[in-house]
Amino acid sequence: GQNIDQPTEMTATEGAIVQINCTYQTSGFNGLFWYQQHAGEAPTFLSYNVLDGLEEKGRFSSFLSRSKGYSYLLLKELQMKDSASYLCAVRDSNYQLIWGAGTKLIIKP
Amino acid sequence: ETGVTQSPTHLIKTRGQQVTLRCSSQSGHNTVSWYQQALGQGPQFIFQYYREEENGRGNFPPRFSGLQFPNYSSELNVNALELDDSALYLCASSLEDSYSGANVLTFGAGSRLTVL
Repeated sequence: GQNIDQPTEMTATEGAIVQINCTYQTSGFNGLFWYQQHAGEAPTFLSYNVLDGLEEKGRFSSFLSRSKGYSYLLLKELQMKDSASYLCAVRDSNYQLIWGAGTKLIIKP
Repeated sequence: ETGVTQSPTHLIKTRGQQVTLRCSSQSGHNTVSWYQQALGQGPQFIFQYYREEENGRGNFPPRFSGLQFPNYSSELNVNALELDDSALYLCASSLEDSYSGANVLTFGAGSRLTVL
């Protein structure tokens, strides 16, 4: 079967750096996405990786290793508004998105 | 540009009833997909519509059906509701079908369905 694994919950301090990991086992690979979802709101797009390496976008960076079936989302200079769930999703060989259960990130002052 | 809007935002049904959820795509988007998100879980893909035709379906029974209209808005219909159908139903629109590049999804805020 297809599987996306992420930690259920993480806690970090305002101003610090946090890395959220995602491992995947899917039938084929056509890109990996990270979305942010605040409680009670719609997911919003953060990043897309299709080739190995690091994609940087402001305070957020995303890394991909296709050979290891692994990605991480790196959040720098954490702010209270970064408290949210972070969803990892992989597009499989049928171009369908397979989603992880999400990582709830709690930011403490 | 307007985003994705869904209606109703909340609704309560009883087992065996039928429900219709509606979605208006973001302006300029021609593809709509629907997801079911249970509490504390990631979204589960239900199906996708491109140019009024279903072009992808997840592991959901036939009592989950949909439509896309010429203006690219969409409906999700669920018949013979079961307790496990209680969830947040998310609609997402995108430009073109899913076979190109990043194809970023723009999600609506969802319709929260409770089945009693």
